[in-house]
Amino acid sequence: NAGVTQTPKFQVLKTGQSMTLQCAQDMNHEYMSWYRQDPGMGLRLIHYSVGAGITDQGEVPNGYNVSRSTTEDFPLRLLSAAPSQTSVYFCASSRDRRSYNSPLHFGNGTRLTVT
Amino acid sequence: AQSVTQLDSQVPVFEEAPVELRCNYSSSVSVYLFWYVQYPNQGLQLLLKYLSGSTLVKSINGFEAEFNKSQTSFHLRKPSVHISDTAEYFCAVSDTGGYQKVTFGTGTKLQVIP
Repeated sequence: NAGVTQTPKFQVLKTGQSMTLQCAQDMNHEYMSWYRQDPGMGLRLIHYSVGAGITDQGEVPNGYNVSRSTTEDFPLRLLSAAPSQTSVYFCASSRDRRSYNSPLHFGNGTRLTVT
Repeated sequence: AQSVTQLDSQVPVFEEAPVELRCNYSSSVSVYLFWYVQYPNQGLQLLLKYLSGSTLVKSINGFEAEFNKSQTSFHLRKPSVHISDTAEYFCAVSDTGGYQKVTFGTGTKLQVIP
């Protein structure tokens, strides 16, 4: 099992550009989510999905779109990149949508810089 | 809504010394509590969790945490740290009724000094 795979590892964008951060898991996990990690702010939930075709907003959803057409993939789209979106992005998945049943499995992150 | 406070952003400690990383939470409902660890250039991994029952929970690598409901705390301790424990540690909370909307603290960087 590869676990949770995120691509790319690094990305530099200019303000206004769009891009998609890819996330794939091969564990048949029901739940997937995107977090951003900023210094001094910990991890903040952007969007999450409890199954194919079902997504919902987290704490900081503005400027990001998601979709979940398959169980395995959960891409994060930046519509028009802004310097405030400079961050490290983590995708996480879990076997079960409820936290007590299974832990979150994280990818290794995508470091995004917007100039 | 819930929140997590980790007051110490960095904790330096000498190898083989004990360490305590502090975590306090706030919630109006019952919660589950977690500690995750992040090694350099990696994602987070679950270290230990409190769901119910015994208030003292332990990890396989010697860490332990105690849930204290009256003080709303879930401090992480290890009696003797090793160089390999150098990492960032995140306390996290989720409510018992909902989905995996886990709220993370800001993290504590543990630096073990040889």
